[in-house]
Amino acid sequence: SYELTQPLSVSVALGQTARITCGGDNIGSKNVHWYQQKPGQAPVLVIYRDSNWPSGIPERFSGSNPGNGNTAILTISRAQAGDEADYYCQVWDFSTVVFGGGTKLTVL
Amino acid sequence: QLQLQESGPGLVKPSESLSLSCTVSGGSISSSNYYWGWIRQSPGKGLEWIGSIYYSGTTHYNPSLLSRVTLSVDTSKNQFSLKLSSVTAADTAVYFCARHPKGFGNSWFNYWYFDLWGRGTLVTVSS
Repeated sequence: SYELTQPLSVSVALGQTARITCGGDNIGSKNVHWYQQKPGQAPVLVIYRDSNWPSGIPERFSGSNPGNGNTAILTISRAQAGDEADYYCQVWDFSTVVFGGGTKLTVL
Repeated sequence: QLQLQESGPGLVKPSESLSLSCTVSGGSISSSNYYWGWIRQSPGKGLEWIGSIYYSGTTHYNPSLLSRVTLSVDTSKNQFSLKLSSVTAADTAVYFCARHPKGFGNSWFNYWYFDLWGRGTLVTVSS
């Protein structure tokens, strides 16, 4: 089965840029979606189809997924205290939805 | 504004079946543009897709749960439901219902992202 690998944790200084990776075999050939989940809340879609913003998501959130690569990246610019959350990547692979294990973002 | 709300028992005994419903309000479950799905999250763990259903009744299931899962839809009630049989403690989780685009063409699966979620409901499997 297909696996998505995310770092358990990422730290970023307030106002700086955070990058959260999502690794998978030839992930560049897939569309990657990203979710933010705060404690006790449902996930919120922050990036869909690699680099698109849902309505209401600030452009400080951006996504990249090079077509020939094995790593997709969620970038959060000018990190704010409110960005502290768990982040999950997700793809579709051969008849199933696959989520990464999640990354806890800490804003210092 | 479309909203999703899960409902069902919060405690289920081992070996019994877990049944949950998700009520769609502020819009129609019969939209041709969307599927309706279930995702669960075990305590302190990540997300696991359970399955998705279209208003016509077409279903897609996670292969790892295929033998125990049944999704159904009731368009008259604007609801869709999950039944998970033969539950064990490993099925203890927060269960979310969510919506995702249907997608189109040969790349329909690239549109399977969850753009609207319910708040989730905790189901504990214990005797």
